[in-house]
Amino acid sequence: DAGVIQSPRHEVTEMGQEVTLRCKPISGHNSLFWYRQTMMRGLELLIYFNNNVPIDDSGMPEDRFSAKMPNASFSTLKIQPSEPRDSAVYFCASSLTGPEQYFGPGTRLTVT
Amino acid sequence: KQEVTQIPAALSVPEGENLVLNCSFTDSAIYNLQWFRQDPGKGLTSLLLIQSSQREQTSGRLNASLDKSSGRSTLYIAASQPGDSATYLCAVSDSGTYKYIFGTGTRLKVLA
Repeated sequence: DAGVIQSPRHEVTEMGQEVTLRCKPISGHNSLFWYRQTMMRGLELLIYFNNNVPIDDSGMPEDRFSAKMPNASFSTLKIQPSEPRDSAVYFCASSLTGPEQYFGPGTRLTVT
Repeated sequence: KQEVTQIPAALSVPEGENLVLNCSFTDSAIYNLQWFRQDPGKGLTSLLLIQSSQREQTSGRLNASLDKSSGRSTLYIAASQPGDSATYLCAVSDSGTYKYIFGTGTRLKVLA
């Protein structure tokens, strides 16, 4: 059974460009979480969805960040325009009505 | 605001040694606590979940304890092995929404 799938695994882009990160949760899971991990701030929750509906986006740092979940099997995190301080590893995780979250391998974003 | 601290930040031990990783949190009104393992370049894997009503959980060579009143948890690893080398993160959830606040992690290296 496939776990959480994220793409791309690595992304290098120039400041000002739009970046879209993608996530496919585990089939049947009804909650999806986007996290950002940096050396300075550790792992932070950006937004989470339940049944495709955004429940809590208080962790989204700025209006430049947006997330969507058009259906139960796909979510995107978009940064527009990107800045060097957005460089981080972005993780997606999913869960099934319970406390245990299953993490994807992450997308390492570098903004130059 | 909940804050989670992990000490030490890094630890290097010889193979076979028993060791303890520490996690402290500022708000004792937690819903549950999880210990995760993160390997370089990979996502997080849940090791142990302790509900707020529980005192400890065990899985193989791992034992996690929880003392809510003092705001502390420990992860005990028995007979450490080189394969245990990874970063260990603890995370607390203060509601049933499973919105986790993560510690900054302890980077463990077990020497053969």
